[in-house]
Amino acid sequence: GDSVTQMEGPVTLSEEAFLTINCTYTATGYPSLFWYVQYPGEGLQLLLKATKADDKGSNKGFEATYRKETTSFHLEKGSVQVSDSAVYFCALSDIGRGSTLGRLYFGRGTQLTVWP
Amino acid sequence: GAGVSQTPSNKVTEKGKYVELRCDPISGHTALYWYRQSLGQGPEFLIYFQGTGAADDSGLPNDRFFAVRPEGSVSTLKIQRTERGDSAVYLCASSFSGRNEQFFGPGTRLTVL
Repeated sequence: GDSVTQMEGPVTLSEEAFLTINCTYTATGYPSLFWYVQYPGEGLQLLLKATKADDKGSNKGFEATYRKETTSFHLEKGSVQVSDSAVYFCALSDIGRGSTLGRLYFGRGTQLTVWP
Repeated sequence: GAGVSQTPSNKVTEKGKYVELRCDPISGHTALYWYRQSLGQGPEFLIYFQGTGAADDSGLPNDRFFAVRPEGSVSTLKIQRTERGDSAVYLCASSFSGRNEQFFGPGTRLTVL
């Protein structure tokens, strides 16, 4: 079945460091891929998404490229800030290409802490 | 505009009791999802409604769990004979039919003593 494997944390970085959080997926169809973020005390928010191979999603300085050949969707940011401290979840959805279910499959989440 | 709301935000109950968790989706969203998030884990799918009907309930763990959405808007997740293992954050999300993006509510933290 569909699944997401996400780099385990926690990840601790200094401000302005480069961030990579790895995510790989298994899917039988043509999934859409997402990164969600959960800030302390808040609900899940969509950070970025990509709906087909080679698409790049970007938002707030974060980027991720949908790589079908490596079944990956790694999250990157060139210079993290203290305000980026949160839990990041990689997810896939099987909606598309005729499927209407749209359920999300999430990874376990990666806790990111950025120190000033 | 208003986002997805869930009530209560916290619920503490005793083992064996019945609980109801409520979700108010974003107005106009026909798709509604319930997920469960245990400590240190990602959310796990429970059930998906398209309008009033449950299009996919394959994530419900057993027959103690049931959800309804009688008018195609508000949904209630019902748990009978609660067990300590049911303790988790229950998340609701909604989206436009056929669209990918799901918008999540803040969750209900259920604690079964």
